[in-house]
Formats: sequence, structure tokens, C-alpha cells
Amino acid sequence: KAGVTQTPRYLIKTRGQQVTLSCSPISGHRSVSWYQQTPGQGLQFLFEYFSETQRNKGNFPGRFSGRQFSNSRSEMNVSTLELGDSALYLCASSSQLAIETQYFGPGTRLLVL
Amino acid sequence: DQQVKQNSPSLSVQEGRISILNCDYTNSMFDYFLWYKKYPAEGPTFLISISSIKDKNEDGRFTVFLNKSAKHLSLHIVPSQPGDSAVYFCAASVGGGNTPLVFGKGTRLSVIA
Repeated sequence: KAGVTQTPRYLIKTRGQQVTLSCSPISGHRSVSWYQQTPGQGLQFLFEYFSETQRNKGNFPGRFSGRQFSNSRSEMNVSTLELGDSALYLCASSSQLAIETQYFGPGTRLLVL
Repeated sequence: DQQVKQNSPSLSVQEGRISILNCDYTNSMFDYFLWYKKYPAEGPTFLISISSIKDKNEDGRFTVFLNKSAKHLSLHIVPSQPGDSAVYFCAASVGGGNTPLVFGKGTRLSVIA
């Protein structure tokens, strides 16, 4: 079974720009979560989508948004980029069957200059 | 306010010996705990999990122990192998592994041959 895939793997943007990251979950998984990893804060939860609906949201500003499509693929968007948005953005999927584990993709490394 | 703490940023262990990684949490509502391993430039890889109704779970060389009264869990790796060298993250959630994960900041394990 193919794992979680994320595109692009690396991205360089400048302050003020916006960026869209994509995540394709494991086949059959309907839940997709996004996390931000930075050296200072570690891994922090951004939001979770299930069946095209945002089900949980972390403590991030409204510049961070996301969506999920009917095929469970998800995108996250960051508008008006700031230097502090430089991070590894990780996507995780799970099947929602009983207690299930989240499986992570390789991440998108975003650098904001 | 860190709800999940990994107080040792790094740990060095000789090959063949036991590695013990520790994690403390403050939120008594957490009922599901996971350990992930992360190599550079890759997403976290799920290792092992434990529900709060158990105090021990084993999977091959990996064993997780949960002490609810102390709000403490630990990951034992026996025997340690050079390929185990990675950053290990402890994570916790309320309501099972599908809900938003709260991560510790990680412990870098180095297994020396």
C-alpha cells in the first residue's frame, strides 16, 4: 500500500506571498491532519479534516487554512507568509476504524525569505 | 505550557544495550499514547502505542510502559542497534489515536557500535 505523499517536498517563498501544500493520504484513509514542525516549538497540530469537513483546529492564526476534497486529498494554504512560517509541514492520515494510528508523510520543507 | 515533555534532548547508548526514553505528561485527560521515530528529511514513523487501560505494550524489541499515577511513560529498546539512531517523539491524545496529537520535543538517540 502506498504511503502518505506530500508535494512539493521543498519550497522557497518570500515574505507576504502565499503558498499551497498538497497531501494525498493512504488509500482508504479519510482523516487527514496537518502539523508544523519547527526547532523551537516541535511538532504542533494545525488542523484535521474528515470527509471534507474540518473537525479539529489547533491554535494557529487564520492565515493558515486547509481543505479536503472528495477523494480525501487535502491542501493547506498559508497566506501573507512571515519569516516564522519557515518549517517542516507534515501531513498524517488515519482510517478512523476504532483506535487507529496516524501515519505521516515525508513533509514539505518551507523556507520563507 | 507543554503538556507532553521529553526532558532529555539526547541519549547515547552502546549497541546491544537497553535504550530507555522517557516522557512525562500533565493532562490527565490523555488516554492514548504513541511513540514515533524520525530520521532527518523524513516524516515521523509510528513505532508503538498504548491505551490508558494498559500499563505495558510490547512489539518486538520495543516496549512501552505507562504509569498513569505518575503521568509518565517510557520506551524501552532492547537490544539497541545502530539503525535505531534517530529522534524519538512521544505523543498523546484524548479519545484515541485519531484525535489531534500533542507531541513532546523529542529525544535524539545515538546508538554507538
